[in-house]
Amino acid sequence: GAGVSQTPSNKVTEKGKYVELRCDPISGHTALYWYRQSLGQGPEFLIYFQGTGAADDSGLPNDRFFAVRPEGSVSTLKIQRTERGDSAVYLCASSFDRGHTEAFFGQGTRLTVV
Amino acid sequence: GEDVEQSLFLSVREGDSSVINCTYTDSSSTYLYWYKQEPGAGLQLLTYIFSNMDMKQDQRLTVLLNKKDKHLSLRIADTQTGDSAIYFCAESLTYSGTYKYIFGTGTRLKVLA
Repeated sequence: GAGVSQTPSNKVTEKGKYVELRCDPISGHTALYWYRQSLGQGPEFLIYFQGTGAADDSGLPNDRFFAVRPEGSVSTLKIQRTERGDSAVYLCASSFDRGHTEAFFGQGTRLTVV
Repeated sequence: GEDVEQSLFLSVREGDSSVINCTYTDSSSTYLYWYKQEPGAGLQLLTYIFSNMDMKQDQRLTVLLNKKDKHLSLRIADTQTGDSAIYFCAESLTYSGTYKYIFGTGTRLKVLA
């Protein structure tokens, strides 16, 4: 596709449920990033993939959060036992390579935990 | 530590210049960025500056970098109502195989007609 695509655009889930958020990066981009943006805040780094491997997952808040990118393209962010504090917009970005000057962001998935 | 700070609000009149300021902490940042976010939309890269530069101009946008003071600014000339948005400053960090962006909290720019 022309840009980074994230699905769903909105997700409402009950506390304690499991959710998966999907990111389709720009074709050919090897670097992929997940960020979380809470209301009134800037995006907060979660995890960075270079190819299939997570090069840096230091931003994942706890072990309920996990992300995969099995074929080096599409990535899925998985959240187990969701809590109300997980409510935020989850942003995905991709860039041609690590260290490249421009990362392209998707529109985000707005997750609401009720 | 990694920290990027911005003032929260700025209000200007249409046609005036806007200046949005940012301070960052990591002197090893390779690039510094300005992103724009409109309501309900993703982040749009406006411009970036390499850390060994002190100024970059791109049409109505001028970026100034004072590396000694770790201060970055974005000037928007002839500000239009369509420039109303939240502007994020970000620094890039590269170490030990990672590459990530650290964002500020954003400056909400309101342009008055």
